[in-house]
Amino acid sequence: DAKTTQPTSMDCAEGRAANLPCNHSTISGNEYVYWYRQIHSQGPQYIIHGLKNNETNEMASLIITEDRKSSTLILPHATLRDTAVYYCIVRAGNSGYALNFGKGTSLLVTP
Amino acid sequence: KAGVTQTPRYLIKTRGQQVTLSCSPISGHRSVSWYQQTPGQGLQFLFEYFSETQRNKGNFPGRFSGRQFSNSRSEMNVSTLELGDSALYLCASSLVGSHNEQFFGPGTRLTVL
Repeated sequence: DAKTTQPTSMDCAEGRAANLPCNHSTISGNEYVYWYRQIHSQGPQYIIHGLKNNETNEMASLIITEDRKSSTLILPHATLRDTAVYYCIVRAGNSGYALNFGKGTSLLVTP
Repeated sequence: KAGVTQTPRYLIKTRGQQVTLSCSPISGHRSVSWYQQTPGQGLQFLFEYFSETQRNKGNFPGRFSGRQFSNSRSEMNVSTLELGDSALYLCASSLVGSHNEQFFGPGTRLTVL
């Protein structure tokens, strides 16, 4: 699996967009970018995934650069309940379910 | 649809004992994965089961084992507990072909004294 690099922590004001970056410069052609988050004392929660096109769902948007070496998860209107650790994971889509979560980014949404 | 359930939620054991944790996946999900989460090492993959067969295994000693039953329910066992086994043990289930979208349970908090 390609290695990912994320900032250790970020702050965001409530109601503003939260933009969480992830570098994955060694990503290979068959690897997808997945995002999960873990709210304190809960199990991780799947957010979104993508290969090369930008993706959007009810929770977030995923922007992947054209060279696929980095991506950004966007929470368009952050709320206090979005305070969590966000994990960017790169993995081939057909390689089973063993996810390498890394350290993630601790996002604090403030009032 | 009910989510992933794990029992027990909290457990206290002493060194040298063994422990069995249980996980019931979401109905229809046939893949079950287990993870260990500690403050120092973060979330680490233990193993994954599909159709009663272990498909992947993480880098953990043989004291950690698991199994899956025909109804997809899974158990993991840790023998000869050590203090370092104190952790949150998380179970996740997946629908085959769901592209790595895993649904996690609330976890079992194991404390080894």
